[in-house]
Amino acid sequence: DAGITQSPRHKVTETGTPVTLRCHQTENHRYMYWYRQDPGHGLRLIHYSYGVKDTDKGEVSDGYSVSRSKTEDFLLTLESATSSQTSVYFCAISVPGTGEGYEQYFGPGTRLTVT
Amino acid sequence: AQSVTQLGSHVSVSEGALVLLRCNYSSSVPPYLFWYVQYPNQGLQLLLKYTSAATLVKGINGFEAEFKKSETSFHLTKPSAHMSDAAEYFCAVSDLDTGRRALTFGSGTRLQVQP
Repeated sequence: DAGITQSPRHKVTETGTPVTLRCHQTENHRYMYWYRQDPGHGLRLIHYSYGVKDTDKGEVSDGYSVSRSKTEDFLLTLESATSSQTSVYFCAISVPGTGEGYEQYFGPGTRLTVT
Repeated sequence: AQSVTQLGSHVSVSEGALVLLRCNYSSSVPPYLFWYVQYPNQGLQLLLKYTSAATLVKGINGFEAEFKKSETSFHLTKPSAHMSDAAEYFCAVSDLDTGRRALTFGSGTRLQVQP
């Protein structure tokens, strides 16, 4: 258990409304990520963070913003939700691996439906 | 930039048969490679990873994968499938050349195990 929680786990919202998803980790790891999962696309990187107030864009960042004011929390905001943002959103952390390199561990996901 | 191709979006095997899930990667630098498994309505669980220590990597649940640089492949195998192996499997490559530690995922292979 990597100690990652996501909230909410499920959300239905209307087009045009703002939505914020929360990721919380218990182990103070520096790197955190938001991915979205869509059928046929695997997981794609939205944004990531490499420390408090240090964030950067991923490959599918349009329409999303993030914030990290504490090491343990990484927030993903959809400023004005669109139907194309209906997806499953996963938070992940990067931790030193056993032996060489690093590993990513994932939260349980948030299923977001935009109607 | 790196990319991952998983051949076969669906694979069906009989219980007790060999499991072979294919993954080919493209990377401008020596890669870190990962296999993850996702059970229905759950997050991703790390099965195994390749860094550079050994080309044959053993993971959890009896799975293993062999890194073949000449073929740019990292196929996942298991000698004898079990019903509990039915899940979706994702191959991923790290972006060591950017420092983000983010992963690029394949589109996934859904494994079905027939009794």
